[in-house]
Amino acid sequence: DTGVSQDPRHKITKRGQNVTFRCDPISEHNRLYWYRQTLGQGPEFLTYFQNEAQLEKSRLLSDRFSAERPKGSFSTLEIQRTEQGDSAMYLCASSSLAGGTGELFFGEGSRLTVL
Amino acid sequence: AQKITQTQPGMFVQEKEAVTLDCTYDTSDPSYGLFWYKQPSSGEMIFLIYQGSYDQQNATEGRYSLNFQKARKSANLVISASQLGDSAMYFCAMREGYNAGNMLTFGGGTRLMVKP
Repeated sequence: DTGVSQDPRHKITKRGQNVTFRCDPISEHNRLYWYRQTLGQGPEFLTYFQNEAQLEKSRLLSDRFSAERPKGSFSTLEIQRTEQGDSAMYLCASSSLAGGTGELFFGEGSRLTVL
Repeated sequence: AQKITQTQPGMFVQEKEAVTLDCTYDTSDPSYGLFWYKQPSSGEMIFLIYQGSYDQQNATEGRYSLNFQKARKSANLVISASQLGDSAMYFCAMREGYNAGNMLTFGGGTRLMVKP
């Protein structure tokens, strides 16, 4: 399977704990995006990388959130001191700058439940 | 102001009928792209169709077509001959600027339910 993969698919944690999600993009894609989606809403942009450089961060991304893409391949999104309001689906997507429409290819998401 | 507005929270359509899902957008950038994605209950986001701001013709992809009215800033998705498998959430999204790698801004979505 050469699509975008995310791990874990589901995470249940207690308030105050730290969680980390991993995303492996399509191998030839140089851009990687993180979005958050709550129930019944559209995805909200969090941040994106071009290769290993983090080019933009949403104001939604509080200082408890950090994302990395150390070697320009996979990325991690860490949430520290989780709060119940962090419960959501975290979507990763990748795209190529090599022409085309620039459509985003999404993974199946990581669902976070904070108790 | 919302960049992408989808005013229909839910829509019903009879199987084999056509349905139009509304999307209006707001941007001052002359270069932009408009996308539609489908999200079934399983959760994955599936790309359906794309329209560039400079494209002269409306985009079509199989049973999907995009009714692009630039002056009205609308980009409605038309699904012809609806199938039961079309039941899903549908999201309109916009990329602003010339760079194909810029992030997408999504609307709130429309839930489409196809009746047998």
